[in-house]
Amino acid sequence: EIVLTQSPGTLSLSPGQRATVSCRASQSVSGDYLAWYQQEPGQAPRLLIFGASSRAPGIPDRFRGSGSGTDFTLTISRLEAEDFAVYYCQQYGSSPTTFGQGTKVEVK
Amino acid sequence: EVQLLESGGGLVQPGGSLRLSCAASGFIFSNYAMTWVRQTPGKGLEWVSAISGSGATTYYADFVKGRFTISRDNSKNTLYLQMNSLRAEDSAMYYCAKDRGPFASFWFDPWGQGTLVTVSS
Repeated sequence: EIVLTQSPGTLSLSPGQRATVSCRASQSVSGDYLAWYQQEPGQAPRLLIFGASSRAPGIPDRFRGSGSGTDFTLTISRLEAEDFAVYYCQQYGSSPTTFGQGTKVEVK
Repeated sequence: EVQLLESGGGLVQPGGSLRLSCAASGFIFSNYAMTWVRQTPGKGLEWVSAISGSGATTYYADFVKGRFTISRDNSKNTLYLQMNSLRAEDSAMYYCAKDRGPFASFWFDPWGQGTLVTVSS
């Protein structure tokens, strides 16, 4: 199965700063079928990005997904208070679908 | 508005059984594949099982094959997960989630709020 490794584990930033989260796959993700989710404390994950770079409906354009093959990135251009959360990548190009271990974006 | 409401979690002894339910509303349930994903602090998010919109096709993670059974009742807009031979390592928050179409594409939006399963003696 494909192992997804996210970095960093924790990102300490201030509101207004840019956040960059990396997701590296142990083998190429077929079709660039990679999604990003946001999980706030006590909440379920919420889809942000699918197909590596397509924003889900209702997701602000400060969230941008990029990358292909084995290297993918989630960028939040200017952090707002509600963006401090845990972010997960997920590949769904190969069976079984797998998730990264998560990156916590916390207030500095 | 799409809503998914899980229920059925609780404390069960090792070797025991539990049936989770996920009541869906706000969309044509039979038009969408559905999935179960679990989450633990140690292992993070793990996909467990999926089922097509018609219920004809099911998918399982290797670690639950032969122990868990996914099913759905489209007349009741409800998804189920029958969990047998439970182990301590099955303890987790279990989420149901809606897939993007009638066939499992394995990306999920939205997710329910989850139901907690604890396997312990």
